[in-house]
Amino acid sequence: EDKVVQSPLSLVVHEGDTVTLNCSYEVTNFRSLLWYKQEKKAPTFLFMLTSSGIEKKSGRLSSILDKKELFSILNITATQTGDSAVYLCASSYGGATNKLIFGTGTLLAVQP
Amino acid sequence: NAGVMQNPRHLVRRRGQEARLRCSPVKGHSHVYWYRQLPEEGLKFMVYLQKENIIDESGMPKERFSAEFPKEGPSILRIQQVVRGDSAAYFCASSGPGQGYEKLFFGSGTQLSVL
Repeated sequence: EDKVVQSPLSLVVHEGDTVTLNCSYEVTNFRSLLWYKQEKKAPTFLFMLTSSGIEKKSGRLSSILDKKELFSILNITATQTGDSAVYLCASSYGGATNKLIFGTGTLLAVQP
Repeated sequence: NAGVMQNPRHLVRRRGQEARLRCSPVKGHSHVYWYRQLPEEGLKFMVYLQKENIIDESGMPKERFSAEFPKEGPSILRIQQVVRGDSAAYFCASSGPGQGYEKLFFGSGTQLSVL
């Protein structure tokens, strides 16, 4: 059965801390791994990773994929209260249908 | 450049009524996806459509649920004879050429509450 597992389920940190969110996947016909941030409602796109070992960065956020070990991590440095959200990991799979299978997310709370 | 637009944001229905959820994709996107999110659960794939075609409906219940994406107008997710278990947030997403079809842009969702 195809699945995406995220850890931890939730995390509480203080402003300025660095956090690492984990995502492991087992899917047929893997194509890419995506990270989204979900605040109020709409998940907003962060990264799409297709190649192993190549880090993608956007400001204080970065992510990397390991296709051999089937996992990805999302790092956030110097966290701010505005980083508080649910972070979703998703894997596209299954041939040509562009379906995404999502993990249940990591709830990050950044305290002032 | 408008993103994915969904309406209504909130929809309340009594058991047995019909719910119609609308989704206008990002301008220029021809691929639309519907996902459902239950409390404490991840987003679950329901259906993938292109203009006038259902490409993959493997995640959609066989009964009472249907989806369309007509040549003109928004995509519609229709739930007939709603039951309490249909209460959830329904998200629409779209993708298109240029950024990779796997990069989905999501709308703000429709929260369906069945009384």
